[in-house]
Amino acid sequence: GAVVSQHPSRVICKSGTSVKIECRSLDFQATTMFWYRQFPKKSLMLMATSNEGSKATYEQGVEKDKFLINHASLTLSTLTVTSAHPEDSSFYICSAQAELYQETQYFGPGTRLLVL
Amino acid sequence: AQTVTQSQPEMSVQEAETVTLSCTYDTSESNYYLFWYKQPPSRQMILVIRQEAYKQQNATENRFSVNFQKAAKSFSLKISDSQLGDTAMYFCAFIAYNTNAGKSTFGDGTTLTVKP
Repeated sequence: GAVVSQHPSRVICKSGTSVKIECRSLDFQATTMFWYRQFPKKSLMLMATSNEGSKATYEQGVEKDKFLINHASLTLSTLTVTSAHPEDSSFYICSAQAELYQETQYFGPGTRLLVL
Repeated sequence: AQTVTQSQPEMSVQEAETVTLSCTYDTSESNYYLFWYKQPPSRQMILVIRQEAYKQQNATENRFSVNFQKAAKSFSLKISDSQLGDTAMYFCAFIAYNTNAGKSTFGDGTTLTVKP
């Protein structure tokens, strides 16, 4: 149980295009999902917290208009990188919690984004 | 605000031996959870072990056990009978109960190499 999927696993796009990454909880309902960015051999950097049916809460320094997050249902959250640039190239990871405040975070396998 | 410190950026251990990874944290919260996550080369974050702060008994999962010292704010991970598959980056994480919107605070990670 507690499986989280991410799609796509890797994506290459041209500079200026937008890329959408999906995060799904497959066998539980996720009231809260988190989006992280990770650079090689570094820790996870929280970008935003996503709650079903409400606007995402972004961490300081993260551009809301650049990284659009939508939590449309209790099993799906999406991250759209708009007008991607090479500096947006990174590893993006989502995680999901079944109950706010109490539950362990279950992580997706991550998405490797390369912007040319 | 919470902080999590992993003072060992890299460690190595011989196969079948025991290794301990250190983690200290700072918080004013009294109710919280602590976690160890493993991130192998595939970069999938895997939950290794979880500890509720109100429990005095140290958590154990097969070859993995923790030494939780609440007063000292220390949460070390012991891996017994190390296996080659234990090679990974290990992250210590903290979640306060019922505050901070369920967000985790992660340490910077310890890269563990198990040598044959």
